[in-house]
Amino acid sequence: DGGITQSPKYLFRKEGQNVTLSCEQNLNHDAMYWYRQDPGQGLRLIYYSQIVNDFQKGDIAEGYSVSREKKESFPLTVTSAQKNPTAFYLCASTSGTGANQPQHFGDGTRLSIL
Amino acid sequence: GESVGLHLPTLSVQEGDNSIINCAYSNSASDYFIWYKQESGKGPQFIIDIRSNMDKRQGQRVTVLLNKTVKHLSLQIAATQPGDSAVYFCAENTGPNFGNEKLTFGTGTRLTIIP
Repeated sequence: DGGITQSPKYLFRKEGQNVTLSCEQNLNHDAMYWYRQDPGQGLRLIYYSQIVNDFQKGDIAEGYSVSREKKESFPLTVTSAQKNPTAFYLCASTSGTGANQPQHFGDGTRLSIL
Repeated sequence: GESVGLHLPTLSVQEGDNSIINCAYSNSASDYFIWYKQESGKGPQFIIDIRSNMDKRQGQRVTVLLNKTVKHLSLQIAATQPGDSAVYFCAENTGPNFGNEKLTFGTGTRLTIIP
């Protein structure tokens, strides 16, 4: 089945440590996104990529970094500069063909601080 | 800044009844809207979408209504079932280019179906 796979489901970070969240899609989608969700809140955009080797900052990019070396993969690194990283992280993708298309989401990674 | 909000954070509905979830948006230039359902510990699941050149769209047991005059969006779920219990988000497209690179999400409404 085609879809978006996020791993790991749960992740713990120590102080001063960088951690990387994986997002893989086999939908042949061009565009991929990373969102952060805090309890009782909506989703906030961290980074997005419309095409391989290109990505743009979203609304809350500070303390995060991404790469897009392959169409299928869009990993997110939560750096030590992100002082409040505890949240639910969601990856999404869409075909990005120029017409409005809904974003499709993975099942998230929950990041906590040790 | 632009925002998408919800009138009610929680809604309880008797099983079998219809439910209506409301959403207000503030960006009059938004041309595409989506409703998502999110179950606990999972990612949002696409329910239905609507473009600004429409005022109503129907799916299986769901209907989305768009009132551009008052910038209001609603999701109607017919004959609710226990599996409909979840948090529902509306989202509006705020991207300037090919239409979907920036979605702004509301804070969500928690729908609880009472057996």
